[in-house]
Amino acid sequence: LAKTTQPISMDSYEGQEVNITCSHNNIATNDYITWYQQFPSQGPRFIIQGYKTKVTNEVASLFIPADRKSSTLSLPRVSLSDTAVYYCLVGGGVDSNYQLIWGAGTKLIIKP
Amino acid sequence: NAGVTQTPKFRILKIGQSMTLQCTQDMNHNYMYWYRQDPGMGLKLIYYSVGAGITDKGEVPNGYNVSRSTTEDFPLRLELAAPSQTSVYFCASSYSLGYQETQYFGPGTRLLVL
Repeated sequence: LAKTTQPISMDSYEGQEVNITCSHNNIATNDYITWYQQFPSQGPRFIIQGYKTKVTNEVASLFIPADRKSSTLSLPRVSLSDTAVYYCLVGGGVDSNYQLIWGAGTKLIIKP
Repeated sequence: NAGVTQTPKFRILKIGQSMTLQCTQDMNHNYMYWYRQDPGMGLKLIYYSVGAGITDKGEVPNGYNVSRSTTEDFPLRLELAAPSQTSVYFCASSYSLGYQETQYFGPGTRLLVL
């Protein structure tokens, strides 16, 4: 099962763009990359998912290079409410027995 | 539409006691999961179910049991509570397995074993 490596914590300021990079060197061919957000005392919430190149939705973008050994979550113009822990997951494909491995996540703190 | 609900929200157990953590989803999802999250850590899969009557072990199943008699309910049983089981427990559900489907999480049950 593929493991992920993310920075333990990051700080930024309101209105800035925040990029969180995740390393997943042993990602399997049919694994996807998924990001979740978790606020204190709440369950995680899905943000975005992708397989390759770029994916964008209403809250974030996900950039995945051709070798898929890393990925970058981009949060445009963050606000204080984006302070949370962000998890990068790989897996979910048949080679991973459809399971997802959760790392320790990146604690993002947004300052005014 | 309540999504995934869990009860209780918080519980204190003595070593050796047993309890059942309840999880219910109203989205008609086939797949349900139990995770535990230790302080400052990511989630670890305990058990999962692909449908009523079918369950399978995850990464850390020891000390836990599950059953799935209906599509909606997926209770987690702790038979002999140990301090190592102090954690926050999350139940989740999805329409199908794996990458295609978003997992929807409940609010969690905080368990303290003393």
